[in-house]
Amino acid sequence: DIVMTQSPDSLAVSLGERATVNCKSSQSLFSSSTNRNYLAWYQQKPGQPPKLLIYRASTRESGVPDRFSGSGSGTDFTLTISSLQAEDVAVYYCQQSYAAPITFGQGTRLDI
Amino acid sequence: EVQLVESGGGLVQSGGSLRLSCAASGFTFSDYWMSWVRQAPGKGLEWVANINKDGSAENYVDSVKGRFTISRDNTENSLYLQMNSLRADDTAVYFCAGDTGYYFHYWGQGVQVTVSS
Repeated sequence: DIVMTQSPDSLAVSLGERATVNCKSSQSLFSSSTNRNYLAWYQQKPGQPPKLLIYRASTRESGVPDRFSGSGSGTDFTLTISSLQAEDVAVYYCQQSYAAPITFGQGTRLDI
Repeated sequence: EVQLVESGGGLVQSGGSLRLSCAASGFTFSDYWMSWVRQAPGKGLEWVANINKDGSAENYVDSVKGRFTISRDNTENSLYLQMNSLRADDTAVYFCAGDTGYYFHYWGQGVQVTVSS
């Protein structure tokens, strides 16, 4: 199985500042046949289901604010929140779909 | 508005069975793969199983193979998870999710399954 490792496990960022969450996979998530990285980011707030933010490593889901961006390729990926808002307090997960079984990172808790 | 509403959870003894249901609305159900994803108390997300658009192919995480069965009824816009031989480590909130085969675009609110030993 592909192991997804996020860092840090938790971080605190001031309102308006940049937040960065990293995700490393145990093998490459890039497919040369499709030219895509099979990596997504989710946001989960307390008592709520996860919400898809980013897929294919850098494509923002419809309706997601543009302060959220994804980057990276191969085995190293980053979720960046350019200017943290109070409503961004949540746990963030990365997820790979390059190979079965689908696996998630352990989560990164983001606080203010 | 997309809605996924899970039901059928509850408290069951170790070795028992439960059948989860997920009623979908607000999108073309038959255009999407569907998955079950679970979250143990205070833990992260774990994909459990998925099924393709017409129900002809299923995939499972190793820990539930032979015990859980995913199915769907496109005429009823419903997804199911039959869970047999339940164990304490199956205790979790189970989410129904609509996916493209790769990413989970739609999520239900989840249903609690508690297995007592």
